[in-house]
Amino acid sequence: GNSVTQMEGPVTLSEEAFLTINCTYTATGYPSLFWYVQYPGEGLQLLLKATKADDKGSNKGFEATYRKETTSFHLEKGSVQVSDSAVYFCALRIQGAQKLVFGQGTRLTINP
Amino acid sequence: DSGVTQTPKHLITATGQRVTLRCSPRSGDLSVYWYQQSLDQGLQFLIQYYNGEERAKGNILERFSAQQFPDLHSELNLSSLELGDSALYFCASSPWDAAGELFFGEGSRLTVL
Repeated sequence: GNSVTQMEGPVTLSEEAFLTINCTYTATGYPSLFWYVQYPGEGLQLLLKATKADDKGSNKGFEATYRKETTSFHLEKGSVQVSDSAVYFCALRIQGAQKLVFGQGTRLTINP
Repeated sequence: DSGVTQTPKHLITATGQRVTLRCSPRSGDLSVYWYQQSLDQGLQFLIQYYNGEERAKGNILERFSAQQFPDLHSELNLSSLELGDSALYFCASSPWDAAGELFFGEGSRLTVL
């Protein structure tokens, strides 16, 4: 089946540290890949996406590259801020499928 | 603000009871998705409607049902509630049938005592 595996949290970093949150997937066919972010008390919102191999999604200083050879879509940011504290979800969608399949989520806390 | 409205925000009820969660999608969006978020199971897809028709079903229990009305709002009905149904229930909408970017509401937190 189709599934997403994220690195387990929680992840705690200091402000201005480098961030990597690992995400790997298993999919039949060629999925589109997404990162969603959930700030405290809010719903999920799309952070970035990539629809084909080698695409790089980027937004708000975050980046992720669709790596077909390693079935990965790791989220990175060069210098995190306290305001980046949230839960991050990696997700995939198989072409033509209705639903998004989410990973378990990774809670990120940034300390000043 | 995503434009997706869910009510109620919080709900506390007892085992065996029935509740209805309501979702108004973003203006113009035809698809509505329901997800359940619990600590042990993460985000689980329940069901999707597109323009009033059921389009996809996920891990939705038989005790749960949903529908999308002509004005495109949707309701998720949960009956014979059990302690394990306590969770955050999210509604999301999108303009299309096949999910791409989903716009999520803030969720309805259900506590079953």
